[in-house]
Amino acid sequence: DGGITQSPKYLFRKEGQNVTLSCEQNLNHDAMYWYRQDPGQGLRLIYYSQIVNDFQKGDIAEGYSVSREKKESFPLTVTSAQKNPTAFYLCASSIGFFNEQFFGPGTRLTVL
Amino acid sequence: DQQVKQNSPSLSVQEGRISILNCDYTNSMFDYFLWYKKYPAEGPTFLISISSIKDKNEDGRFTVFLNKSAKHLSLHIVPSQPGDSAVYFCAASATSGGSYIPTFGRGTSLIVHP
Repeated sequence: DGGITQSPKYLFRKEGQNVTLSCEQNLNHDAMYWYRQDPGQGLRLIYYSQIVNDFQKGDIAEGYSVSREKKESFPLTVTSAQKNPTAFYLCASSIGFFNEQFFGPGTRLTVL
Repeated sequence: DQQVKQNSPSLSVQEGRISILNCDYTNSMFDYFLWYKKYPAEGPTFLISISSIKDKNEDGRFTVFLNKSAKHLSLHIVPSQPGDSAVYFCAASATSGGSYIPTFGRGTSLIVHP
């Protein structure tokens, strides 16, 4: 049963703490992405990766970091440098760039 | 500056009628367009796409129309069903320019009343 999993679904952190959001896919997709969604906003691209050990900044990469050590995994770290980290975070993958994206269920991060 | 605009934040339609969701874009390099559907607290799911070489693509109750000269596309849902109630995102990418990653609009919330 292929798909994308994100954990946890809800996450609470204190201000100033780094937090890592998990994203795993078993679809054998090469490309993976992280988006952020805020109320009334579209999906804004944080980071993306075309292949293992390679990733690129998206439109709003400041305050975030990623790694792509395995094809299946693309974790996102929200650092204390991110000014407004409270948001809904979505991970996605695609076979290649020129294909539709498959999204995970999302993680809602709340920083208190 | 928004390159993909969905100017209607919400749309309310009676069950059985047609739903028309609109999307405008400003970047003339966009040549591939997608629609995604999203339920609350879930990730978006791909619905339908269209390449700029076409002006219409149909899949069951869903049809996407593309007007390149007007830089406008629309998603038609006929007939609308209560289960169609969701947020619909329009997305566009410039594949010929090498930038395949889509740019998303802000979404339109569709409510289909029984």
